[in-house]
Amino acid sequence: KAGVTQTPRYLIKTRGQQVTLSCSPISGHRSVSWYQQTPGQGLQFLFEYFSETQRNKGNFPGRFSGRQFSNSRSEMNVSTLELGDSALYLCASRWTSGGLGGQFFGPGTRLTVL
Amino acid sequence: AQTVTQSQPEMSVQEAETVTLSCTYDTSESDYYLFWYKQPPSRQMILVIRQEAYKQQNATENRFSVNFQKAAKSFSLKISDSQLGDAAMYFCAYRSRTEGSGGGADGLTFGKGTHLIIQP
Repeated sequence: KAGVTQTPRYLIKTRGQQVTLSCSPISGHRSVSWYQQTPGQGLQFLFEYFSETQRNKGNFPGRFSGRQFSNSRSEMNVSTLELGDSALYLCASRWTSGGLGGQFFGPGTRLTVL
Repeated sequence: AQTVTQSQPEMSVQEAETVTLSCTYDTSESDYYLFWYKQPPSRQMILVIRQEAYKQQNATENRFSVNFQKAAKSFSLKISDSQLGDAAMYFCAYRSRTEGSGGGADGLTFGKGTHLIIQP
């Protein structure tokens, strides 16, 4: 089975712009979660989608949004980029929401905001 | 809200020896899940081992095992026969068993990580 894929792998944007990141989960996985990783704050949960519905959300401003499509692929959007949004954005998928099932992570998208 | 603490920013061990990484957490819940993830220089997060809080038996996966002390809220990872490929950042993580119990944030809560160095 192919793993979780994320595109693009690297991205450079300027302040004020918006960006869309994409995540394709493992085939059959219906839950997709997004995390932000920075040296200062570490790994922080952004949100989780399951069957096209946002199930859970972390403590991030409304500039961060996402969606999930019927094929379970997910996109994350950040509007009005700030310097502090520079981070590694990780996507993770699971077969279902909740439960012991571990999340399988993608390689991440490295976003740099100038 | 739950918190996860990894008190060792960096650990070093000789190849073939055993090392234990510490993790403590704070929660008011009685049922939850705990995980250890490995992040090598490639940045790909890899699930190492997982534990259900209501199970007393410590989880094991080959050379990796945990010491789960629920009363002490401790979840340490033991790596036996350390190999060069074990060098990575190791993250301890917590997830609520009950959805919606975390104030709307029920994804994984991670510790800050422990950088494990393997000396050849």
